[in-house]
Amino acid sequence: SYVLTQPPSVSVAPGQTARITCGGNNIGSKSVHWYQQKPGQAPVLVVYDDSDRPSGIPERFSGSNSGNTATLTISRVEAGDEADYYCQVWDSSSDLRVFGGGTKLTVL
Amino acid sequence: QVQLQESGPGLVKPSQTLSLTCTVSGGSISSGGYYWSWIRQHPGKGLEWIGYIYYSGSTYYNPSLKSRVTISVDTSKNQFSLKLSSVTAADTAVYYCARERSSPPDAFDIWGQGTMVTVSS
Repeated sequence: SYVLTQPPSVSVAPGQTARITCGGNNIGSKSVHWYQQKPGQAPVLVVYDDSDRPSGIPERFSGSNSGNTATLTISRVEAGDEADYYCQVWDSSSDLRVFGGGTKLTVL
Repeated sequence: QVQLQESGPGLVKPSQTLSLTCTVSGGSISSGGYYWSWIRQHPGKGLEWIGYIYYSGSTYYNPSLKSRVTISVDTSKNQFSLKLSSVTAADTAVYYCARERSSPPDAFDIWGQGTMVTVSS
């Protein structure tokens, strides 16, 4: 089955740029979605189809996808961005929805 | 706007069947164009997709749970439901319902708040 690999943790200082990666075999051929989950809350979609943002999501959140790596970039990081972030794809060969293991973003 | 709300028992005994319902408000399941999924999250762990149902009743389940899962829809009540049989402590998790655009499958754009289910005698 298709596997998505994320780093367990990423740390960044306020005002800096955070980059969270999601690795998968030829992931560039798939649409990647990103979710933010704060403690005790449901996940929230922050980027879909590699780089599109739902309404209400700040422009500071952006995404890219090429080759074997997709990346969620958070610019001008704020304390409120501290959360777990998950990538997700639809694997067309199996019709499975697959999530990465999640990355905990810590704002120093 | 569309909202989802899970409901069901928070405690289930081992070997019994876990039953949850997701009520959709602000939109109709029958309008089509979306898959309606169940997703769970074990305590302190990541997200696991369980399966989906379309308004027509067609379903698809994660093979890892397929033998124990049934997802059904009641369009008259604008609800869809999850049944997970023969539960063990390993099924203790927060269960979310979520909406996903179909054709082709897209992101989960709307989620319920989640409901914690504990399997214990």
